[in-house]
Amino acid sequence: QKEVEQNSGPLSVPEGAIASLNCTYSDRGSQSFFWYRQYSGKSPELIMFIYSNGDKEDGRFTAQLNKASQYVSLLIRDSQPSDSATYLCAVTPSSGSARQLTFGSGTQLTVLP
Amino acid sequence: DAGITQSPRYKITETGRQVTLMCHQTWSHSYMFWYRQDLGHGLRLIYYSAAADITDKGEVPDGYVVSRSKTENFPLTLESATRSQTSVYFCASLTSGGGTGELFFGEGSRLTVL
Repeated sequence: QKEVEQNSGPLSVPEGAIASLNCTYSDRGSQSFFWYRQYSGKSPELIMFIYSNGDKEDGRFTAQLNKASQYVSLLIRDSQPSDSATYLCAVTPSSGSARQLTFGSGTQLTVLP
Repeated sequence: DAGITQSPRYKITETGRQVTLMCHQTWSHSYMFWYRQDLGHGLRLIYYSAAADITDKGEVPDGYVVSRSKTENFPLTLESATRSQTSVYFCASLTSGGGTGELFFGEGSRLTVL
């Protein structure tokens, strides 16, 4: 059973702090990894993707991938109240269609003013 | 406006009734998807389509039927609704054919089955 696991939270951080969101996956052959943000009552939107081991930075967001440990994380620096949302980790499968993303259940983040 | 739209946004129905959720995209993306989102389960893939007249099952297809006669439309039908199908349903399309594409989601359809 292919799985993507995330801590459901809620995770609370003060404004200006670094928020660290973690995701583990069971399919060792997964190649592509995505982070989606979902505000309450809204649809998910893509914020980051990463394919290679290491770090990828985009503004205040950094995605980190360690394929050996089957672990991907998202760091949000200088967290803002507007970052309060649920963050969904998604991975592509090693078999079947690469378009069939498997999503984790999400981590709810609250940034306290 | 360009984008992906779903209708209805909210629907209440009764057990055993047929319900169709509509999805329309204006980008002409080849791939389209239907997900359901339930508390504690995240997004689970119901069906997807690679092109008009090409559909395939996802993780949780039982109780659902899809069709795709035109590239822009991808309706999802619950032939005989059950309470377990109470959920928020998201339609999505993929920007490119590869696994690196971005999924764009519709606003969601919240379905309640009484």
